[in-house]
Order: sequence, then structure tokens, then C-alpha cells
Amino acid sequence: EDKVVQSPLSLVVHEGDTVTLNCSYEVTNFRSLLWYKQEKKAPTFLFMLTSSGIEKKSGRLSSILDKKELFSILNITATQTGDSAVYLCAVGSVVQGAQKLVFGQGTRLTINP
Amino acid sequence: KAGVTQTPRYLIKTRGQQVTLSCSPISGHRSVSWYQQTPGQGLQFLFEYFSETQRNKGNFPGRFSGRQFSNSRSEMNVSTLELGDSALYLCASSLAGTGFRSPLHFGNGTRLTVT
Repeated sequence: EDKVVQSPLSLVVHEGDTVTLNCSYEVTNFRSLLWYKQEKKAPTFLFMLTSSGIEKKSGRLSSILDKKELFSILNITATQTGDSAVYLCAVGSVVQGAQKLVFGQGTRLTINP
Repeated sequence: KAGVTQTPRYLIKTRGQQVTLSCSPISGHRSVSWYQQTPGQGLQFLFEYFSETQRNKGNFPGRFSGRQFSNSRSEMNVSTLELGDSALYLCASSLAGTGFRSPLHFGNGTRLTVT
């Protein structure tokens, strides 16, 4: 069965710290890995990764994928209170011709001022 | 460009009733997926529609059904509601599919409470 595991499940840091969130996966016919940020309701898209070793960057956020070791990390530098959210990792795969997106349980990040 | 719109935002129903949730995707998006989110299970895939056809289905009972109209708008129906159906129901649209060619864009969800 396809599985996506995120760690840690919860993280509390001070403003200005750097954090690293982890996502490991076991899926058949991997196609892509996506990161989302969920604050109140709608998860908002952050990154989509399909190739190993290529870092994607957006401001203070960056992410990289390792398809050999089956994991991805999401880095946030110089954290701000507005970064407090649940960060979701999802993996897209194809099984018997059907596309599938499996989500991890999320990491709840709290940034204290 | 308007985002994904879900209605209603909140619903309270009693056990045994049925409910219909609505989703309007981003203009030009032909794929609509539905997810159930609960604190214990996280985001669970319900089904995906593309060009009015159900392309994929998750592991949910037949009480959960959906459809997509020619304008890509989608509805999800849950019949014979159970207490365990209380959850946030999220709709997501994308250009091509469930995320591996283009990312999903989510709506704000419908919070369903079953009493």
C-alpha cells in the first residue's frame, strides 16, 4: 500500500530559526512530490518536485527531492510567525492507469515570537 | 483568476440524511478531485472527475458519490449520513490531473457536522 510519512508531526520554534521538515514515501510508479501549506482551510500549493537533486526555491522556502532514498525536505529559513501552519506532503503516482495522490499526515509548525 | 469555490461553507445534518456539496473549479481546469480531511486520518482521496467522467476512486463506501457537469463544476453526494462522516470536505482542481503533471489547487472546503 502506498505510504507517505512526514516528520516531525509537530514542531515549535522561535521566530528567526531555520526549520527542516521531512517527507518519506513508498509508492508504486512515482510521478511527483508536492508540498502544501494549510493555515485555516484551503491547502495552498508550494512546490512540485519531479527530479532528484534539483532544489526548488521560493523566497525563504526551498525543497529538494531524493528519488533514490525516497524522501524530500522542505526548508524554511528566518522563520516568521506567518509561517505557522500545517505543512502537507503529497506524492503522485500511477497505479493500473489511474492517477493517485497520497498525502502524509502533515507537520504542524508553530513559530513563537 | 477566481480560485476554487465550494458551497456551502458549513453544514449540519443528522444521521440518516443525505447531503450534496458543490465545487466550481478554476476557469479552464477540467479535473476536479474531492478529499475528506479529519484530524485522525488526514487528507483521504474520495474521487476524481475529468471531462465529466470519474477517472479514479478512493476507498470509500458507495454512500459517497459524485458527478461533474459539462462546465467542469462538480457535486459530491453523501447518502445515509453517519457520525463518522463529520469532516472537512475539500475540492481541488487542476489543469490535467491529480497532481503529477500540474498541481492541485484547493477550495476552502465544506465543514460537515453530522449529529
